[in-house]
Amino acid sequence: DTGVSQDPRHKITKRGQNVTFRCDPISEHNRLYWYRQTLGQGPEFLTYFQNEAQLEKSRLLSDRFSAERPKGSFSTLEIQRTEQGDSAMYLCASSRNQGAEAFFGQGTRLTVV
Amino acid sequence: QKEVEQNSGPLSVPEGAIASLNCTYSDRGSQSFFWYRQYSGKSPELIMFIYSNGDKEDGRFTAQLNKASQYVSLLIRDSQPSDSATYLCAAGTSGYQLIWGAGTKLIIKP
Repeated sequence: DTGVSQDPRHKITKRGQNVTFRCDPISEHNRLYWYRQTLGQGPEFLTYFQNEAQLEKSRLLSDRFSAERPKGSFSTLEIQRTEQGDSAMYLCASSRNQGAEAFFGQGTRLTVV
Repeated sequence: QKEVEQNSGPLSVPEGAIASLNCTYSDRGSQSFFWYRQYSGKSPELIMFIYSNGDKEDGRFTAQLNKASQYVSLLIRDSQPSDSATYLCAAGTSGYQLIWGAGTKLIIKP
């Protein structure tokens, strides 16, 4: 399978704990996006990378969120000191370049209890 | 504020009929437009993309773009119960990210 892969698929964590998600994009896709989605809403942009460079981060994103894409391949999204409001589906997508269609991974569903 | 607007629905269509989904966008600089289908609890799946004014057909799906009026539509012919899902419209700007609508829930009634 050469699609976008996310791990884990599900994560349940206690409030205050740190969590880290991984995304492996389609190979040779330069752009990688992280989104968050809650029920009944469209994907909410979090951040994106062009190769290894993080070019944009949502102003709505708290400092508890950080993302990396070392070497321009896989990416990780870390949430520190999780809160119940962080419960959502976290989606990763990749695209070949600017303006091109993006393909999504299966998402990581986070539940903070 | 760049926005993409969609009617949340639900839009109910009889099986076999044409489903018409609409989307408007605010940024005249948007150059690419995408329709995604999302089943409950799943991630969005790309259905079609369109860059130029006019119609683009792919099987039972037709995307229509009118840049002057800033709207994009998706027509689904011969609707099937398996087409029941939420349809997300997204606009690609000249910058960096896709701007997403909140989606239209489509229900195909057998």
